[in-house]
Amino acid sequence: EPEVTQTPSHQVTQMGQEVILRCVPISNHLYFYWYRQILGQKVEFLVSFYNNEISEKSEIFDDQFSVERPDGSNFTLKIRSTKLEDSAMYFCASSGQGYAGNTIYFGEGSWLTVV
Amino acid sequence: GDSVTQMEGPVTLSEEAFLTINCTYTATGYPSLFWYVQYPGEGLQLLLKATKADDKGSNKGFEATYRKETTSFHLEKGSVQVSDSAVYFCALSDDKLIFGTGTLLAVQP
Repeated sequence: EPEVTQTPSHQVTQMGQEVILRCVPISNHLYFYWYRQILGQKVEFLVSFYNNEISEKSEIFDDQFSVERPDGSNFTLKIRSTKLEDSAMYFCASSGQGYAGNTIYFGEGSWLTVV
Repeated sequence: GDSVTQMEGPVTLSEEAFLTINCTYTATGYPSLFWYVQYPGEGLQLLLKATKADDKGSNKGFEATYRKETTSFHLEKGSVQVSDSAVYFCALSDDKLIFGTGTLLAVQP
């Protein structure tokens, strides 16, 4: 079964460093997402991406965050200058359609620890 | 804004017990409703969904019915197994997913 893959599975970084989390969505999908889950808290929406541009972003997704689809397969999340509160599990997701009832498929997550 | 509230865990059951995990939602429109499951060390997997009122989603023995009158989407299973131990997330979707806090289910043999 096709799946969303994410790398790295776990990254430890120092505060202030840049981090890039990578994702390979399911190959024929057109809609891409990043979510995050701070330990013990809800899974939160960060950003959605379609047709090579951001279609929606949450208030969490400030100027420190950016997303890119540099080629036909990868979808990346960059955090320019990490803060302690960025420590979380980051989930990449993709879907074939953008309507409300469509299934969104998630990767296994990238656990980011900022020290 | 739209939100999802689900019962706090952990929920600890013996094998073959009946499971209910409560989920209620608040939404201005007519969202689709989902249950996702996260097994230890794995990502979020869709368990079941319902896209309109009175729809019943089902998968792997789990069921949930979209109840518009009570704004609920409770997850049920008649006989749980040890392998069902996981975190269960209720979610709604307008164009993005909004999740509940997750409920840890631990099934003991």
